[in-house]
Amino acid sequence: KNEVEQSPQNLTAQEGEFITINCSYSVGISALHWLQQHPGGGIVSLFMLSSGKKKHGRLIATINIQEKHSSLHITASHPRDSAVYICAVKPPNTDKLIFGTGTRLQVFP
Amino acid sequence: GAVVSQHPSWVICKSGTSVKIECRSLDFQATTMFWYRQFPKQSLMLMATSNEGSKATYEQGVEKDKFLINHASLTLSTLTVTSAHPEDSSFYICSARVGRDWYYGYTFGSGTRLTVV
Repeated sequence: KNEVEQSPQNLTAQEGEFITINCSYSVGISALHWLQQHPGGGIVSLFMLSSGKKKHGRLIATINIQEKHSSLHITASHPRDSAVYICAVKPPNTDKLIFGTGTRLQVFP
Repeated sequence: GAVVSQHPSWVICKSGTSVKIECRSLDFQATTMFWYRQFPKQSLMLMATSNEGSKATYEQGVEKDKFLINHASLTLSTLTVTSAHPEDSSFYICSARVGRDWYYGYTFGSGTRLTVV
């Protein structure tokens, strides 16, 4: 079993829909990251969370440390949101990140 | 925000030749750089961690003589794929820790797609 599990693996949505991507992890962490990888391959860091909730534009990320679970929400989805979204956790005492396998999102007009 | 510039974006080389990939931190000092490899539709696989001025630490199974990492300055880290073979074809991406501690976050390069023919 992977230490970081994401669901769903693939997600298709119509433009304007509210989208949720989930991440569960089984290790202790200092922080959790949500990353976005576009078809060209480049990766953008969306959020780094240690607790609570963060919001940036149409993106919202939440984390529940007790339940070892995080969600990434996209409100009013748009075709340009189509990408692979990756959850990664940073355990204590290491700089290395543990990555989930990603969620491939396609938003159709 | 902190930016890592990675070059080249793509490269095609002949089998047996060497290829160098550069990652430069543009507006911050990258004391630690991570090098990843990614196969199609798979997640990132950490190859090695490099700290400025010291030897890189390679992950198990990664050949250090094949994948040479140099981090000679706080703004430049390089990955050289030596004597490349078709099985080295992959997407390589670097990531830097922004600042001296983890809570500053990480930033990623745009990646290099290597094709060995």
